[in-house]
Amino acid sequence: NAGVTQTPKFQVLKTGQSMTLQCAQDMNHEYMSWYRQDPGMGLRLIHYSVGAGITDQGEVPNGYNVSRSTTEDFPLRLLSAAPSQTSVYFCASIGASSYNEQFFGPGTRLTVL
Amino acid sequence: DAKTTQPTSMDCAEGRAANLPCNHSTISGNEYVYWYRQIHSQGPQYIIHGLKNNETNEMASLIITEDRKSSTLILPHATLRDTAVYYCIVRSNNNDMRFGAGTRLTVKP
Repeated sequence: NAGVTQTPKFQVLKTGQSMTLQCAQDMNHEYMSWYRQDPGMGLRLIHYSVGAGITDQGEVPNGYNVSRSTTEDFPLRLLSAAPSQTSVYFCASIGASSYNEQFFGPGTRLTVL
Repeated sequence: DAKTTQPTSMDCAEGRAANLPCNHSTISGNEYVYWYRQIHSQGPQYIIHGLKNNETNEMASLIITEDRKSSTLILPHATLRDTAVYYCIVRSNNNDMRFGAGTRLTVKP
């Protein structure tokens, strides 16, 4: 298993541009989530999904959209990038059979100029 | 959602036990306590979790007070590679996990 994969690893955007951060997992996990981490701070939950077709907002959802059309994929869309969205983004997943552990991807480092 | 409070930073001598405290005074009866750590800018790594009883695995031990309002993560023999930020998290029923600022543990030679 590849676990949780994220692409791209690095991205630079200009203010107002849109883009999609990709997240995929091959562990057949039902629960997936997106976090952002600003320098020197903990992770903050953006959006999460408890299964295909179901998404919900976390702590800081504004400026981001998500969808969950398949169990494997959970893309995060930035509608109109702002400098305040400069951060490291982590995707994670939890399976019903592994209720204890949340697996994290390697992260995407995003800079908005 | 229950929130947690942790010290901002701690030091530990290499080879000694590292004891990281966490307060979660508003935890609900069916909420678990989870511990994760993050080394440099990598994704967080699961360490251990518990509900009421003390737990131990190959990485650490988790001691939860009887009233469940606090817990302590114990790394029995800290190494330099255990230097990281450690997060104590209370997990709600919907899997929503809220990370705080964590404790930055520095293991010194």
